[in-house]
Amino acid sequence: AQSVTQLDSQVPVFEEAPVELRCNYSSSVSVYLFWYVQYPNQGLQLLLKYLSGSTLVKGINGFEAEFNKSQTSFHLRKPSVHISDTAEYFCAVREETSGSRLTFGEGTQLTVNP
Amino acid sequence: KAGVTQTPRYLIKTRGQQVTLSCSPISGHRSVSWYQQTPGQGLQFLFEYFSETQRNKGNFPGRFSGRQFSNSRSEMNVSTLELGDSALYLCASSLAGQVLRNYTFGSGTRLTVV
Repeated sequence: AQSVTQLDSQVPVFEEAPVELRCNYSSSVSVYLFWYVQYPNQGLQLLLKYLSGSTLVKGINGFEAEFNKSQTSFHLRKPSVHISDTAEYFCAVREETSGSRLTFGEGTQLTVNP
Repeated sequence: KAGVTQTPRYLIKTRGQQVTLSCSPISGHRSVSWYQQTPGQGLQFLFEYFSETQRNKGNFPGRFSGRQFSNSRSEMNVSTLELGDSALYLCASSLAGQVLRNYTFGSGTRLTVV
């Protein structure tokens, strides 16, 4: 069965600094990878996804992620964060054989300070 | 275009009672999935419905059940509520017929069991 590990539960950064949120996964079959963001009292919003092709994926709000198959990682990056990026971020994996079921990591709380 | 609508937004129930949560998908979306989000267990897949049929089920006890109607609206039911059922329940809808269809999540129903 697949699993997802988000290596940092909390990441505090200053405004305009770069940030990287780390995600590792394990699976015995091919996977599709996702990053979601959740603002307080809201549902999940898709930031970006890796399905196939180029390993560098660009998403909304200036975020990007790089799929590294050999390291089974899918780290999320943003070169310059804003106060409004403060939220919880979830990495998720969908196995080719598991239909639409997503397995989520534990989440990383990103806090951007002025 | 209206998003995924979950009702009610907040709910307080007593142990032993049962509860029904509702999810109205985006117009045209025929697949509905449910997830439970708790601080301890994170986001966990409950089940997925497509064309009124359950297609996938997570590892939850039989007290958790769901159904989908002909208009694609879905309900989930939890019987004999336990304190541990307190959670944010998220519904996500997606288009059918696409191998890697995107989910759109609702804002969730926050259930508190006292």
